[in-house]
Amino acid sequence: GQNIDQPTEMTATEGAIVQINCTYQTSGFNGLFWYQQHAGEAPTFLSYNVLDGLEEKGRFSSFLSRSKGYSYLLLKELQMKDSASYLCVPLDSNYQLIWGAGTKLIIKP
Amino acid sequence: GAVVSQHPSWVICKSGTSVKIECRSLDFQATTMFWYRQFPKQSLMLMATSNEGSKATYEQGVEKDKFLINHASLTLSTLTVTSAHPEDSSFYICSARGGGREFQPQHFGDGTRLSIL
Repeated sequence: GQNIDQPTEMTATEGAIVQINCTYQTSGFNGLFWYQQHAGEAPTFLSYNVLDGLEEKGRFSSFLSRSKGYSYLLLKELQMKDSASYLCVPLDSNYQLIWGAGTKLIIKP
Repeated sequence: GAVVSQHPSWVICKSGTSVKIECRSLDFQATTMFWYRQFPKQSLMLMATSNEGSKATYEQGVEKDKFLINHASLTLSTLTVTSAHPEDSSFYICSARGGGREFQPQHFGDGTRLSIL
């Protein structure tokens, strides 16, 4: 079957760094997206990894290890507006996005 | 770039009404559009995938006669919820993917919150 495993909820402090881990099992693999979703809003695209390694984009970085079925999203210099759910979304062999419930990140002052 | 506009944002209507939701890609050609539904505190659920000029492909369990999808152009797809009932109340979100390459990210509209009384 297809499965995504992320922490349900994480808490971090404004200005700090947080790493959100994700392990996945899919039927085939064509890359992995990270999306941000604020409560009551639609998801927003953050990053796409298809090769192993780290992709850096401003305060956000995403890492992928295909052999381990593992990815993480690293958020630096946390701001209050980063409070949201973060969705690890792999793309299977049919190019279907596999959506899980994501990780709710709470930022405290 | 990659802006997707969804309209309306909110709909409140009586049971039995049909509701039409529009999804437009504003600055790119969307060869594929997707319709999702999300209930509170749950993950997105794909309802259907549509390619311009062809019939939509519905996910298992989604009634094609109840959720009518039209993707008549490269920039517009519509979802019509026919004879809506309270159990159809949900957050409906469209997304669009351009360029014809399937690993391109999907870009989402702002969603439509549908409440059926």
